[in-house]
Amino acid sequence: EAQVTQNPRYLITVTGKKLTVTCSQNMNHEYMSWYRQDPGLGLRQIYYSMNVEVTDKGDVPEGYKVSRKEKRNFPLILESPSPNQTSLYFCASSLTSYSVYGYTFGSGTRLTVV
Amino acid sequence: AQTVTQSQPEMSVQEAETVTLSCTYDTSESDYYLFWYKQPPSRQMILVIRQEAYKQQNATENRFSVNFQKAAKSFSLKISDSQLGDAAMYFCALAGSSNTGKLIFGQGTTLQVKP
Repeated sequence: EAQVTQNPRYLITVTGKKLTVTCSQNMNHEYMSWYRQDPGLGLRQIYYSMNVEVTDKGDVPEGYKVSRKEKRNFPLILESPSPNQTSLYFCASSLTSYSVYGYTFGSGTRLTVV
Repeated sequence: AQTVTQSQPEMSVQEAETVTLSCTYDTSESDYYLFWYKQPPSRQMILVIRQEAYKQQNATENRFSVNFQKAAKSFSLKISDSQLGDAAMYFCALAGSSNTGKLIFGQGTTLQVKP
């Protein structure tokens, strides 16, 4: 089944404790991206990757890191999480950066930082 | 800057009735795509319908259709014969051809379906 697998689904952590949210796709998609969803703000892009070893900042990159060492994986790293990073996170992929098919989304990670 | 605006935070509809969700957008690009995504309580983002800006004909997918008014930069979603399973948050989104692949989302509209 073609899908984007994102883990964990729920995560509660403490301020300052480094964490990684994993994302993997099995569709050989070139483009991958991370979004955060906050009430009243919709989804906002954090980082994106056009292909292996090619990543760039989205609209809200502060406090986040990413890497794309393999085409299928695109982990999101919070080196020192803070309470304002409490949010719902989505990983998404698409065949190319501009696709009429839109994105395929992961199932989301609900992160709470206390 | 490109923007997407959904001015209706919440809507409700009676089962079997028709409801229209509004979306306006702003872009300077001539080539772009518009999407409606559905997010049920499961949180999964599900693509409902897509529209290519160069196509004048409005997209239709079963009970879902859009009213695409390019000059007015409006992209509304009509749901006919509403079902309980349509209850969800709906997001309008814009993808510009020169926008590094970013999807720009509206704020979302929560749709309640009453039995």
